[in-house]
Amino acid sequence: GAVVSQHPSWVICKSGTSVKIECRSLDFQATTMFWYRQFPKQSLMLMATSNEGSKATYEQGVEKDKFLINHASLTLSTLTVTSAHPEDSSFYICSASGDRAYEQYFGPGTRLTVT
Amino acid sequence: RKEVEQDPGPFNVPEGATVAFNCTYSNSASQSFFWYRQDCRKEPKLLMSVYSSGNEDGRFTAQLNRASQYISLLIRDSKLSDSATYLCVVNMGLDDKIIFGKGTRLHILP
Repeated sequence: GAVVSQHPSWVICKSGTSVKIECRSLDFQATTMFWYRQFPKQSLMLMATSNEGSKATYEQGVEKDKFLINHASLTLSTLTVTSAHPEDSSFYICSASGDRAYEQYFGPGTRLTVT
Repeated sequence: RKEVEQDPGPFNVPEGATVAFNCTYSNSASQSFFWYRQDCRKEPKLLMSVYSSGNEDGRFTAQLNRASQYISLLIRDSKLSDSATYLCVVNMGLDDKIIFGKGTRLHILP
């Protein structure tokens, strides 16, 4: 099956710093990539949807200036959490899809802890 | 009414038993339905798609009831390894928007 990788798998950073998370589709071209956030014992929450070469579409309540998404190629999308705060600590998961958005392949997730 | 709703559980079920849980959705125009499985601290993985006619994959059976707007997942002869959170996923049909339910936690007891 399709493989999606994320890097780093976990990161600890100080409040006020920025963190970049990479999401790569390893064996297929991802037309669309999705970024999710999951707080403990809660469901996945879609943050944004990005298509290669286009600006990301953010869900209501997600600050686009704080969560910068770049989808420069069909195999790579990045999420940068700018000026991170402790409340940004969460599990960030990306997923990628080809022609059909509902066939999403998830990355292993990145656990972000902001101290 | 929430777009996709699931009973959070947990369902504590003895090994070997049959367990079923439902997921309701609000948008009657929803087109595609899926069950994902998520293990603790891991990413979700697609378990099975849900077809209009119902479908079965080994011990797992998924059904769709469009009239009542719910999907169901039935697990027979449950195994310890079935312990996980099961996420209901609905494609709302509008720009392929995907909505995840909050998940139902299942604990299979030895």
